[in-house]
Amino acid sequence: ETGVTQTPRHLVMGMTNKKSLKCEQHLGHNAMYWYKQSAKKPLELMFVYSLEERVENNSVPSRFSPECPNSSHLFLHLHTLQPEDSALYLCASSQLPGQGAEEQFFGPGTRLTVL
Amino acid sequence: SQQGEEDPQALSIQEGENATMNCSYKTSINNLQWYRQNSGRGLVHLILIRSNEREKHSGRLRVTLDTSKKSSSLLITASRAADTASYFCATDRNSGYSTLTFGKGTMLLVSP
Repeated sequence: ETGVTQTPRHLVMGMTNKKSLKCEQHLGHNAMYWYKQSAKKPLELMFVYSLEERVENNSVPSRFSPECPNSSHLFLHLHTLQPEDSALYLCASSQLPGQGAEEQFFGPGTRLTVL
Repeated sequence: SQQGEEDPQALSIQEGENATMNCSYKTSINNLQWYRQNSGRGLVHLILIRSNEREKHSGRLRVTLDTSKKSSSLLITASRAADTASYFCATDRNSGYSTLTFGKGTMLLVSP
């Protein structure tokens, strides 16, 4: 257990569905991240939240919409996805630089399949 | 753009042998980190080395960093079957918050 939980662990959805992925960290961290891991591609950083403010959006399509209501929770809202969006979505958290160790703690991921 | 590039892509060894994985990157970094991932699971942080450090140890792990060559290596000594996993290097440019760029990883198989 890394102190970062993600739900659901598996999700199958059609292209017209709307669903949300949830991440929760119990580590007192103040930065949270969404990553996408596709087969045969490097882990891709999608979004970064620092002190609940989105500070990075790496050219992610608008069909992915993140939300960070507080420092412990992070959501990824999904709508009208494409089959190529099928992947493992990983959430991570960390302290900000200068406030402690900078390694990231990852959740177990949500395996998303878009039909 | 992709930063870390691990080499080799796959490595198969026997228990008790040492495993060495290499990572190259392209731009300046604040620190470099190594992570491990068991199949289809989340990543686990192994070790962090800062740009002003040359070598670091943690248990059976030894990491080196050569900023002049923009490369790092991870050595796992006396490997065990439980070390079987994918290993990733990630570079952090540290723009006020941690921003990791990962390579494709090395898949390590340790046979009993």
